[in-house]
Amino acid sequence: GQQLNQSPQSMFIQEGEDVSMNCTSSSIFNTWLWYKQDPGEGPVLLIALYKAGELTSNGRLTAQFGITRKDSFLNISASIPSDVGIYFCAGQLGSNYQLIWGAGTKLIIKP
Amino acid sequence: SQTIHQWPATLVQPVGSPLSLECTVEGTSNPNLYWYRQAAGRGLQLLFYSVGIGQISSEVPQNLSASRPQDRQFILSSKKLLLSDSGFYLCAWTPHGEPGKLFFGSGTQLSVL
Repeated sequence: GQQLNQSPQSMFIQEGEDVSMNCTSSSIFNTWLWYKQDPGEGPVLLIALYKAGELTSNGRLTAQFGITRKDSFLNISASIPSDVGIYFCAGQLGSNYQLIWGAGTKLIIKP
Repeated sequence: SQTIHQWPATLVQPVGSPLSLECTVEGTSNPNLYWYRQAAGRGLQLLFYSVGIGQISSEVPQNLSASRPQDRQFILSSKKLLLSDSGFYLCAWTPHGEPGKLFFGSGTQLSVL
């Protein structure tokens, strides 16, 4: 079945550093989404991307839909303590109701 | 504005006992509704989705079932829980026609002992 490879699995960074994570797939997606999950909560949608090459920002977050439609990245600039959590990418194939999810990137900020 | 309510927040149940988790959405009509499960430290697994009252699609065969008795109500059930049913259960909704934009509830942490 379809899979998303999300990397890195976890990141230990200093406050103020920039963060980059990505997802790749062997399948072509028509939508890429990035979610963040805080401990004990449901994921929250950060950014949705609908077009190959699209670059979208949400505050300090920037995400891009890869030209090949098989990958996407998420960047966080100048990280702050509240950025900690697990970031998930998800891709949508056609109008299928089931999103394909990455395994998540756990962001930890070193004190 | 739209809100989603999911309860209970935590639940400890013995093996073999029944289960009923409830989810309701407010502020929208005819949403698509979803039940996901998340094992500790893992990604999200879609269990069921519904595009309308009484319409349920199952993605993973198991001893769980779902029902949608009203437009904005989605229920996850089991007649007899297994140890492997432990996990974090999340209800979610999407606007009709936008299946990618999931809005999640706060989840139920289920421990089967």
